[in-house]
Amino acid sequence: DTGVSQDPRHKITKRGQNVTFRCDPISEHNRLYWYRQTLGQGPEFLTYFQNEAQLEKSRLLSDRFSAERPKGSFSTLEIQRTEQGDSAMYLCASSSTGAFVGELFFGEGSRLTVL
Amino acid sequence: KQEVTQIPAALSVPEGENLVLNCSFTDSAIYNLQWFRQDPGKGLTSLLLIQSSQREQTSGRLNASLDKSSGRSTLYIAASQPGDSATYLCAVTGEWGGSEKLVFGKGTKLTVNP
Repeated sequence: DTGVSQDPRHKITKRGQNVTFRCDPISEHNRLYWYRQTLGQGPEFLTYFQNEAQLEKSRLLSDRFSAERPKGSFSTLEIQRTEQGDSAMYLCASSSTGAFVGELFFGEGSRLTVL
Repeated sequence: KQEVTQIPAALSVPEGENLVLNCSFTDSAIYNLQWFRQDPGKGLTSLLLIQSSQREQTSGRLNASLDKSSGRSTLYIAASQPGDSATYLCAVTGEWGGSEKLVFGKGTKLTVNP
């Protein structure tokens, strides 16, 4: 197992364009999380899936953001009509139901730059 | 609302020095506290996880303590090495708003000079 995989690692886009990030969790993990980290800040929670069900969305996740996990495996995070304020590192993490609360395994992140 | 503060924001030490990083949190109703390491442009690697009932955890040259009642944790790094240079993040979990999520501090950027 190679851990949590995220793609692309870097994305540069112009304001107003749509972008999509993909996360492949550790294969036996049924929980998947998205966090956002801006420069000089700690990661902030965006949303959380258990299997294919999206159980929680942060108020940070505006209506321009949508996350899916169609078959309970990989997940996508789409940002529509990107704004400069969306520039950040988008981190995906996964865990298993039997793990300690907060025992998450993070991917390397997808860095978004909006020009 | 849970808030996590880390002091100092940055720290530069010579190789071989022992050092302490500090973390404080405002709501003591936590499930656990975790210390992460983050290298520039990379994801997070968990270093130590302390359950709310525990006082400390050790891994190699790292020792983390937890004083839940006072809302404080420290990460002690012994005999620091240049390879320890990274940002260290503290995070707590608890049932805030009805769900279990990690709340992070802003991190301490550590530089160990050879």
